[in-house]
Amino acid sequence: KQEVTQIPAALSVPEGENLVLNCSFTDSAIYNLQWFRQDPGKGLTSLLLIQSSQREQTSGRLNASLDKSSGRSTLYIAASQPGDSATYLCAVIYDNDMRFGAGTRLTVKP
Amino acid sequence: SQTIHQWPATLVQPVGSPLSLECTVEGTSNPNLYWYRQAAGRGLQLLFYSVGIGQISSEVPQNLSASRPQDRQFILSSKKLLLSDSGFYLCAWSGTGILYNEQFFGPGTRLTVL
Repeated sequence: KQEVTQIPAALSVPEGENLVLNCSFTDSAIYNLQWFRQDPGKGLTSLLLIQSSQREQTSGRLNASLDKSSGRSTLYIAASQPGDSATYLCAVIYDNDMRFGAGTRLTVKP
Repeated sequence: SQTIHQWPATLVQPVGSPLSLECTVEGTSNPNLYWYRQAAGRGLQLLFYSVGIGQISSEVPQNLSASRPQDRQFILSSKKLLLSDSGFYLCAWSGTGILYNEQFFGPGTRLTVL
């Protein structure tokens, strides 16, 4: 059974901190992995797509890493800002299947 | 560039009434299309996906149905709404080919069934 877990469920940090969000998956035969951000009452915004052949992807202050052998992906946010406050979800993409994690709710305090 | 639209943004409907939610995509051809539901405090649940006009696959048995009358139009419907149909409905698209690969989401429709 393919399961995706995101830890922690919620995280509160002061502005300026670097932080790491975790996504773990039980089936390592993934195709790709995608990180999203969701603001309250809004749709999902795609942040990064990391292919199974890649180890990491970067976009601005965001860096996503992928370790298939250990079944883990991390999303690193540098120099966090209040505007980063949102729920972050990972989606693990398999061949003709996909699993979303439940998300990590991030609050960055000014 | 590609954009995805959903309407209405919010909807309040009585139990037993019909439902029609619409999703349209611009700037791409022959996309894979998806309908999700996000209930309060719960994760995303895939309801339907479509790989082409008239081709609908259902992921869970439910009170809902989907149709794809045009290449870039995806409609979610119900003949009689239930209280349990309340939730946040999201439409998404991905490029032709591998299902679920790099999806882009619409702004969502908040449905409240009273």
